[in-house]
Amino acid sequence: QQQVRQSPQSLTVWEGETAILNCSYEDSTFDYFPWYHQFPGESPALLIAIRPVSNKKEDGRFTIFFNKREKKFSLHIADSQPGDSATYFCAADSGGSNAKLTFGKGTKLSVKS
Amino acid sequence: NSKVIQTPRYLVKGQGQKAKMRCIPEKGHPVVFWYQQNKNNEFKFLINFQNQEVLQQIDMTEKRFSAECPSNSPCSLEIQSSEAGDSALYLCASSHRGRGNTLYFGEGSRLIVV
Repeated sequence: QQQVRQSPQSLTVWEGETAILNCSYEDSTFDYFPWYHQFPGESPALLIAIRPVSNKKEDGRFTIFFNKREKKFSLHIADSQPGDSATYFCAADSGGSNAKLTFGKGTKLSVKS
Repeated sequence: NSKVIQTPRYLVKGQGQKAKMRCIPEKGHPVVFWYQQNKNNEFKFLINFQNQEVLQQIDMTEKRFSAECPSNSPCSLEIQSSEAGDSALYLCASSHRGRGNTLYFGEGSRLIVV
């Protein structure tokens, strides 16, 4: 059972455009939603995260929009730059006393100049 | 630069051979995770520890996988009898706590089973 669904699998945008990456989840106990990015040959690193008490979280050009009712959240990358080209993973924390992050399958973002 | 240290970066094993990977978590992080990332970049949670205690683990792939985090020694993940399907990037991550906190990943150990 895939608990975190991510789309699209790949995305190409032009420099300066806004890239939108989408995720949905099924488990109502999830209460922590981070986005990680991974550059080729490197390890994943946290980009930004949100908790359901908020429906929006901004950090510079990166914004998470969260819709608890629809169990969806998205990452918007404004003014995309070629250096943003990477694979982006959404994730969700399973909650409870023994938590672990469940990752989506990733979106490979390419930003063309 | 990652503060989670994984060794070796690469290992090549024949089918049936034992493969062992090590991880030194970031200082002060009591929680350690192991994930397997396959060629399609998909993450599979394997096991996590808090200090030396197992918090959660999957069925550990027919018992061929084992892991431990002894005190004063690196954590380790071992595959007793490697299979071709085990070829993947094995990522170790550490965290201040298990729930709702940032995972800091090491650079991974890439296992190739020939």
